[in-house]
Amino acid sequence: ETVLTQSPATLSLSPGERATLSCRASQSVSSFLAWYQQKPGQAPRLLIYDTSNRATGIPARFSGSGSGTDFTLTISSLEPEDFAVYYCQYPYSFGQGTKLEIK
Amino acid sequence: QVQLQESGPGLVKPSQTLSLTCAVSGDSISSGGYYWSWIRQHPGKGLEWIGYIYYSGRTNYNPSLKSRITISVDTSKNHFSLRLNSVTAADTAVYYCARALGYCTTTRCDPRWFDPWGQGTLVTVSS
Repeated sequence: ETVLTQSPATLSLSPGERATLSCRASQSVSSFLAWYQQKPGQAPRLLIYDTSNRATGIPARFSGSGSGTDFTLTISSLEPEDFAVYYCQYPYSFGQGTKLEIK
Repeated sequence: QVQLQESGPGLVKPSQTLSLTCAVSGDSISSGGYYWSWIRQHPGKGLEWIGYIYYSGRTNYNPSLKSRITISVDTSKNHFSLRLNSVTAADTAVYYCARALGYCTTTRCDPRWFDPWGQGTLVTVSS
């Protein structure tokens, strides 16, 4: 089973800043890694699939990259609605999440 | 637009069986190509994959829960269901259903991503 480790656990930034979230796999994985956003009281929402493809309706400020064991979700310029918890997933495992909070 | 909606009791007694159903609209389970999944989230915690079912009835379960789980599908009603036996307080969680696109090798099929998700339903295990 692949273990996904996300860092940092919490990221404190201000609107307009750039956010970089990391997901590290315990072994080399294929490109089929996905990212989700979850807001309080809501279900997770697919943001990125296959490492770098934005899901339908996801703004261009969200981008994904990586390969092997190291993957990154980048939010180029934070909007107020982006403050949430983010999870990576491959294929049966989820990372423990990164909470993006307003500084 | 594909939508999933969970339903079932919000309170289950210890040692009893948790039963949930996920109604699918906007897509036909029997059309194939997707793996209909259950995922749970313990209060304040991360996400745990429970299992999936294909329209043919083929299933795959989380090994840690496998002995207690049954996932079934009713294509005539376009819904799928979860049964979790012998529940304890540790099974208290929000349960989500989700559609997964799969990728298959010669020996296995794995979920590629989960989209969309149902809104989730909180199930509390308590006497």
